[in-house]
Amino acid sequence: EPEVTQTPSHQVTQMGQEVILRCVPISNHLYFYWYRQILGQKVEFLVSFYNNEISEKSEIFDDQFSVERPDGSNFTLKIRSTKLEDSAMYFCASSTDRVNTEAFFGQGTRLTVV
Amino acid sequence: GQQVMQIPQYQHVQEGEDFTTYCNSSTTLSNIQWYKQRPGGHPVFLIQLVKSGEVKKQKRLTFQFGEAKKNSSLHITATQTTDVGTYFCARIQGAQKLVFGQGTRLTINP
Repeated sequence: EPEVTQTPSHQVTQMGQEVILRCVPISNHLYFYWYRQILGQKVEFLVSFYNNEISEKSEIFDDQFSVERPDGSNFTLKIRSTKLEDSAMYFCASSTDRVNTEAFFGQGTRLTVV
Repeated sequence: GQQVMQIPQYQHVQEGEDFTTYCNSSTTLSNIQWYKQRPGGHPVFLIQLVKSGEVKKQKRLTFQFGEAKKNSSLHITATQTTDVGTYFCARIQGAQKLVFGQGTRLTINP
């Protein structure tokens, strides 16, 4: 069964450092998303991406965040200067069309900022 | 943003007992989705409800969408240990984002 894959599974970084979280969405999907989940809390939307551009972003997704689809398969989330409060599980998701159908989530990257 | 409120936050049951989680919105929902997240896992889509009063079943799981499309529920009959996890409802807001409820964490005593 096709799945969304994310790497790394766990990333530890020092405060102020840049991190890049990587995702390979399901190949025939057109819409891509990043969500995050602080430990024990709900899943929060960060950004959606379609046709090589951001289509929607949340207030969490400030200038420290960026997304890119550098080639036909990868989808990345960059955090330029990490803060302690960026520590969370980051989930990539993809869907075949607009979010009226199911979103397929990756296994997540646990980001720990120390 | 327009939130969805989910209750209860936690539910502990004996194996074999039933379980229900409720999702409420102050505004009309175009549709509602339900996801399950196992401990340490990622959200997995369960179902989407679209029509007013809709009821859908998946084996022991029954999903309902209220007549006014402002609430939804997930009911599990005769829970099993494999049902352990957090159940989230999610509304679709704007064109492309899911707004998740706080989730109901289900634990089961075998």
